Amino acid sequence: AQKVTQAQTEISVVEKEDVTLDCVYETRDTTYYLFWYKQPPSGELVFLIRRNSFDEQNEISGRYSWNFQKSTSSFNFTITASQVVDSAVYFCALSEVILTGGGNKLTFGTGTQLKVEL
Amino acid sequence: KAGVTQTPRYLIKTRGQQVTLSCSPISGHRSVSWYQQTPGQGLQFLFEYFSETQRNKGNFPGRFSGRQFSNSRSEMNVSTLELGDSALYLCASSPGQGAYEQYFGPGTRLTVT
Repeated sequence: AQKVTQAQTEISVVEKEDVTLDCVYETRDTTYYLFWYKQPPSGELVFLIRRNSFDEQNEISGRYSWNFQKSTSSFNFTITASQVVDSAVYFCALSEVILTGGGNKLTFGTGTQLKVEL
Repeated sequence: KAGVTQTPRYLIKTRGQQVTLSCSPISGHRSVSWYQQTPGQGLQFLFEYFSETQRNKGNFPGRFSGRQFSNSRSEMNVSTLELGDSALYLCASSPGQGAYEQYFGPGTRLTVT
């Protein structure tokens, strides 16, 4: 069975601090996809990034960066110079590749509540 | 492009009743998935529809069902509501084949009293 663990329930930082959100996953599949989503207070999940299991390159997008390490089954997310608008719940998710019939289904972690204060 | 829309946004029902939630995917997207989010269980996959066929299903009782129409719009139905069905129900759409990222709607907040 697939599992995603986000051990950090809540993180509080002061604006402009860097913050890293941890994500550890378990899967027996050799092909899979990892995702990060942001859920602001409005409730809508906002897609941030997708990474497949064969691509271990780190990714940077503005103030966001992601570190994927297959050896430790981790897919961590760093926000540099955090801002108040970054306050939200962040979810890491894992998608198995369903060979029969296709499609996918996401297994989510429990989320990390990030609070950025002035 | 317009995003994923869900109606209604808020709903209050009584235990034992049934409810139907609606989801319109992003134009051109053929896959619609439904998720339930509760404080206790977190985000859980309900089912996925593609080309009017249920392609994948999560571990929910048969009271939870869905369907997809030829225009890719989807509905989910919950019969014989229980208090534990109170949740945020999120719909997500994706282009279809493969593990594409899923784009979520704002959700329907269902309260069962």
